[in-house]
Amino acid sequence: AQKITQTQPGMFVQEKEAVTLDCTYDTSDPSYGLFWYKQPSSGEMIFLIYQGSYDQQNATEGRYSLNFQKARKSANLVISASQLGDSAMYFCAMREEYGNKLVFGAGTILRVKS
Amino acid sequence: EAQVTQNPRYLITVTGKKLTVTCSQNMNHEYMSWYRQDPGLGLRQIYYSMNVEVTDKGDVPEGYKVSRKEKRNFPLILESPSPNQTSLYFCASSPSGRNTEAFFGQGTRLTVV
Repeated sequence: AQKITQTQPGMFVQEKEAVTLDCTYDTSDPSYGLFWYKQPSSGEMIFLIYQGSYDQQNATEGRYSLNFQKARKSANLVISASQLGDSAMYFCAMREEYGNKLVFGAGTILRVKS
Repeated sequence: EAQVTQNPRYLITVTGKKLTVTCSQNMNHEYMSWYRQDPGLGLRQIYYSMNVEVTDKGDVPEGYKVSRKEKRNFPLILESPSPNQTSLYFCASSPSGRNTEAFFGQGTRLTVV
């Protein structure tokens, strides 16, 4: 069964510094997708970045990049040049090829300090 | 504008009083699902639907019902709410496929007293 683990309940980062949010996953399906979502205090879920299991390169979207290490089954989110508006809950999620179900980790709360 | 619309955003109700949370999407997505979010547990899937008239249980279906009579609508029904169903609920839709992002509604914060 698919499973996502986020081991950091909370993180602090200084404004303008980079931060890495950890995510490990478990699946027996060779074809899957990995997603990161941001949830600000207002509650909505905002899609950030996607990585496919067969993608050769790490995904990047602006200040977000995904450090994908397939052999270690990890998909860490890297946020560069942190901003105060990055303070939020961050969820890692996975979807297998034929399941359609999105499985989420417990989330990491990120606080950016000025 | 492509969106998933949930209503209501906030709801306080009493134990045992039936309620429905509506969800509608305008993107013609086949796949829709309901999640509940609880502290320390992330989002857990309640029910999902692969298409019209096709629904199935997720990980935490007890105490919930759903229906999919039209492609755009996927209401969540709590026939007899209990305090342990106090949670933040999200409806999501997506096209089929592992590489497709899910679009989420704004969330419904439900309190059962």
